[in-house]
Parts: sequence; C-alpha cells; structure tokens
Amino acid sequence: EAGVAQSPRYKIIEKRQSVAFWCNPISGHATLYWYQQILGQGPKLLIQFQNNGVVDDSQLPKDRFSAERLKGVDSTLKIQPAKLEDSAVYLCASSLRMILDRRYNEQFFGPGTRLTVL
Amino acid sequence: QKEVEQNSGPLSVPEGAIASLNCTYSDRGSQSFFWYRQYSGKSPELIMSIYSNGDKEDGRFTAQLNKASQYVSLLIRDSQPSDSATYLCAVNMQGNTPLVFGKGTRLSVIA
Repeated sequence: EAGVAQSPRYKIIEKRQSVAFWCNPISGHATLYWYQQILGQGPKLLIQFQNNGVVDDSQLPKDRFSAERLKGVDSTLKIQPAKLEDSAVYLCASSLRMILDRRYNEQFFGPGTRLTVL
Repeated sequence: QKEVEQNSGPLSVPEGAIASLNCTYSDRGSQSFFWYRQYSGKSPELIMSIYSNGDKEDGRFTAQLNKASQYVSLLIRDSQPSDSATYLCAVNMQGNTPLVFGKGTRLSVIA
C-alpha cells in the first residue's frame, strides 16, 4: 500500500512570495491533516479535512494560509505572502476515517516539505 | 489549553539496555495515545498506539498508560543504535479532534 505522498520535498523562497504544497493521502483515507513542524517542536495542526469538508482550521493563519481538498482526495496548502517565521516542515497526514472507533484514527505521515523563507 | 509534556533529553542509554520515555498530558478527557519515532530529517512514523489503562507490547516496544495519573510511557527493550531518534508522544480526544504532540524526547543509544 502506497503511503502519503507530498511534493515538493524542499522549497526556498523569498519573504512575501507565495508557495503551494501538494498532498495525496493513502488510498481510501477520508481524513487529511496538514501540520506545521518547527525545528525542535512537535507537529502543530493547521487544518483537518473529512472528505472535502473542513473539520478544524482554528490554528490556520487565515490571513496568509489557505487549503483545499476539492474532490475529497488530494489537497493543496498555500501560503501567500510568506513570512520568515513560516520556515518549517509542512507535514501531511491521513487516517482512514474519523469516527468513534479509535482504531481508525491512527494518523500516517507523508515525507513532508521543508520550507525555507529568506 | 491542551498540553503534552515530554523531557527533551537527550536520553542516552547503552546498547542492549532498556530505554524509558515518559509523557504527561493535561486533558483528562484524552482517549487515544500514540508514540511516533522521528529520525533526523524524516517525518514521524507511528510505532505504538494505546487506548486503555495498562501495558501494550509490540516486539521490543511496550507502551504503558495510566489515565488516573495522566501519564503514558514507552519502553524500548534491548535498545539498538538504530533506535536513536526523537520520540514524539501524541494525544487526542475520542474520534474527532486533532493530535496534540509533545516536543519529543531525543534518544541516543550508544554502541
């Protein structure tokens, strides 16, 4: 079974530029998450989708970050304009579903995109 | 504010010893508990999940959960140099909330 795919793996941009990241979850996984991991920290959730609907975007800086999952499969995360403090690894994760049965909520991560903002 | 606390380490253990990693969490309503391993420059890899009080064993790994004390731990038996990594503890409510991660404990297994 193929894992979570992400691209690009690395990106270097100047501040105030825009950038987009792509994620394709594990086949059949209804729930998709975008996390931001700053060096030395644990991942922090940015946004959670169930199919193509947003479940939680309370920690997404909506003035500059946006995300979509139009067909309930792959997803894009965009930053516009980027700031220096956005330098981090952006991780996409997926889980089978989001129901009361906890076994199906195990999250599996993609390789991440390392963003450097100069 | 839901919090997950871990000692950042580094925790150094000799090869073949037992490594003990600890995690405490603030939200008493937490239901699901996970340990992820993260090698330098790589993404987190799920190694253990535990949902009920007590121990859960999988190979050289044992997860221990004590909900009354809001404490979860990971034991690694017969530690190998390849176990050297950062171990992230993650917690969530039942079903419909995101994972809250600790900052991770860096483990170094010395050959």
